[in-house]
Amino acid sequence: QSVVTQEPSFSVSPGGTVTLTCGLSSGSVSTDSYPNWYQQTPGQAPRTLIYSTNIRSSGVPGRFSGSILGNRAALTITGAQADDECDYYCVLYTGSGTWVFGGGTRLTVL
Amino acid sequence: QLQLQESGPRLVKPSETLSLTCSVSGDSITRDDYLWAWIRQPPGKGLEWIGTIYYAGNTYYNPSLKSRVIIFVDTSKNQFSLRLTSVTAADTAVYYCAGHVRSPARQGGNNWFDPWGQGTLVTVSS
Repeated sequence: QSVVTQEPSFSVSPGGTVTLTCGLSSGSVSTDSYPNWYQQTPGQAPRTLIYSTNIRSSGVPGRFSGSILGNRAALTITGAQADDECDYYCVLYTGSGTWVFGGGTRLTVL
Repeated sequence: QLQLQESGPRLVKPSETLSLTCSVSGDSITRDDYLWAWIRQPPGKGLEWIGTIYYAGNTYYNPSLKSRVIIFVDTSKNQFSLRLTSVTAADTAVYYCAGHVRSPARQGGNNWFDPWGQGTLVTVSS
């Protein structure tokens, strides 16, 4: 089974820009992986941020954007705010009707 | 507005079967633009996709759990359910049910999880 990799942790200054990435142990991520990104605060269910690589879910601020960078999926936060400090998860379609989550990135805003 | 709610026993003994149900409200579970999924999260750890079902019965499972998992739909109750057999302490987790949205173009794999239930913690312990 494919392993999806994310940076375990990242930090960004308030107002700064940060790019979190999501890779595949077995190869490259492409738009055919249909990457999704989810945001999770402690004790809460995840919230959908991005799907189909770069489509923002309803109500998601424009400072969140998705893309493919090289062979990885990427989530960029432009103008980070204090309440962006939480966990971020990507999930990739790995074929044959299976999806795999990454291990998550804990983002610190300081 | 579509809403999902998990229910079921919060404590399961080792080697027994974990059973959870997700009640869907706000629309029919037979809507064509949705699949339905189970996802879990062990305490302090990341998310793990368990499996997905279409109301007509097509199922997709995580290969690492496939031998122990069954997901099924009850359209008369607008619910779908999870059964996980032979549980161990490693199956202790918050279990989420979620809608698994199908893209308008119906591209295979182009799906996303939304909305999510609030999650329910299931502990495996004697």
